[in-house]
Amino acid sequence: DAGITQSPRHKVTETGTPVTLRCHQTENHRYMYWYRQDPGHGLRLIHYSYGVKDTDKGEVSDGYSVSRSKTEDFLLTLESATSSQTSVYFCAITGTSYNEQFFGPGTRLTVL
Amino acid sequence: AQKVTQAQTEISVVEKEDVTLDCVYETRDTTYYLFWYKQPPSGELVFLIRRNSFDEQNEISGRYSWNFQKSTSSFNFTITASQVVDSAVYFCALSEAEGGSYIPTFGRGTSLIVHP
Repeated sequence: DAGITQSPRHKVTETGTPVTLRCHQTENHRYMYWYRQDPGHGLRLIHYSYGVKDTDKGEVSDGYSVSRSKTEDFLLTLESATSSQTSVYFCAITGTSYNEQFFGPGTRLTVL
Repeated sequence: AQKVTQAQTEISVVEKEDVTLDCVYETRDTTYYLFWYKQPPSGELVFLIRRNSFDEQNEISGRYSWNFQKSTSSFNFTITASQVVDSAVYFCALSEAEGGSYIPTFGRGTSLIVHP
């Protein structure tokens, strides 16, 4: 198993509150990604990182920010959560061949 | 732009039937990778296989086999003698092999339901 953990695994919050999700890897991989998964949409990329302090936007980045101050940690922040951000969030890293991705267990976020 | 199409939204079979999940892709790159992932009802995403665009050999792993055909831009996945434990959503994905951010493009997934 790729050493990827996500915390929290479940969270219920209220509209307008900030939320931070954490992804931690023990594999020392350079690339890390945040996705959201919603019924009918598959996996959609929110943000990704290609190194410490190097991040870029994905296709659904509005309302989200990220930070990577250490190789092993990639944080996703919802600055002011909305009900449309209710989703399952997955973190991923690339494998040693720099192509296949390995995913964390996911975080189920509910915004009321 | 890269694109992955999994036209089958849901497939329902009875145990022991063979089933093929279709994946059609589009890319302008000559070098790329194709992947299959499995997402069982428990929710985790499990990597199954990676195939390099230069390697068109089919692959078999137990009851699973993959048929890669560049001529038709397809990378289909067959489960032989399906079992209830094969019930899951299966995702096909494509990524460029050179440079860039190694960001794959995912299909929308095919939900496979295997009935006992």
